[in-house]
Amino acid sequence: KAGVTQTPRYLIKTRGQQVTLSCSPISGHRSVSWYQQTPGQGLQFLFEYFSETQRNKGNFPGRFSGRQFSNSRSEMNVSTLELGDSALYLCASSLEGGLFTDTQYFGPGTRLTVL
Amino acid sequence: KQEVTQIPAALSVPEGENLVLNCSFTDSAIYNLQWFRQDPGKGLTSLLLIQSSQREQTSGRLNASLDKSSGRSTLYIAASQPGDSATYLCAVRLRGPGGTSYGKLTFGQGTILTVHP
Repeated sequence: KAGVTQTPRYLIKTRGQQVTLSCSPISGHRSVSWYQQTPGQGLQFLFEYFSETQRNKGNFPGRFSGRQFSNSRSEMNVSTLELGDSALYLCASSLEGGLFTDTQYFGPGTRLTVL
Repeated sequence: KQEVTQIPAALSVPEGENLVLNCSFTDSAIYNLQWFRQDPGKGLTSLLLIQSSQREQTSGRLNASLDKSSGRSTLYIAASQPGDSATYLCAVRLRGPGGTSYGKLTFGQGTILTVHP
């Protein structure tokens, strides 16, 4: 099976712009989660989607949003970019997102640099 | 609030040594615990998942244990190799109002492992 794929792999934006990142889960996985990784804060949970519905959300401002499509692919959007948004954004997929046995599989990430 | 701590922050060992990485968490109401490795600039690779009802899991040279009552997990790596050099992360999924905290893993800061030939 193909793994989790994320596009693009690298992005450079300037402050105030917006950006959209894409994630394709492993075939058959219906839960998609997003994480932000920075050297200072480590890995932090952004949100989780299942069947096109957001089921869980982390402590990030409303500038961070996401959605999921009927084929389970997901996008996240960051509006009005700030320097502090520079990070590695990771997407993870799992079968259901709520099972004891649900292993999360991560993609390679999108490296976002905000200038 | 769940906090996950990993000790040591960094570890350097000669090839062939057996080693133990530690992970502690403050809230014992966990759903499961996962160990990952991350190579520089890359995504996370899942190593082992331990359900809350389990005590340990094994995969090849890796063995992970879980003690919920003391809030601890250990990852044991046997006969370490230079290819094991990476950052090792543990992450817990908490129970939530619906039974589980959907999709949300709480991560430790990681242990940077270097295995030198």
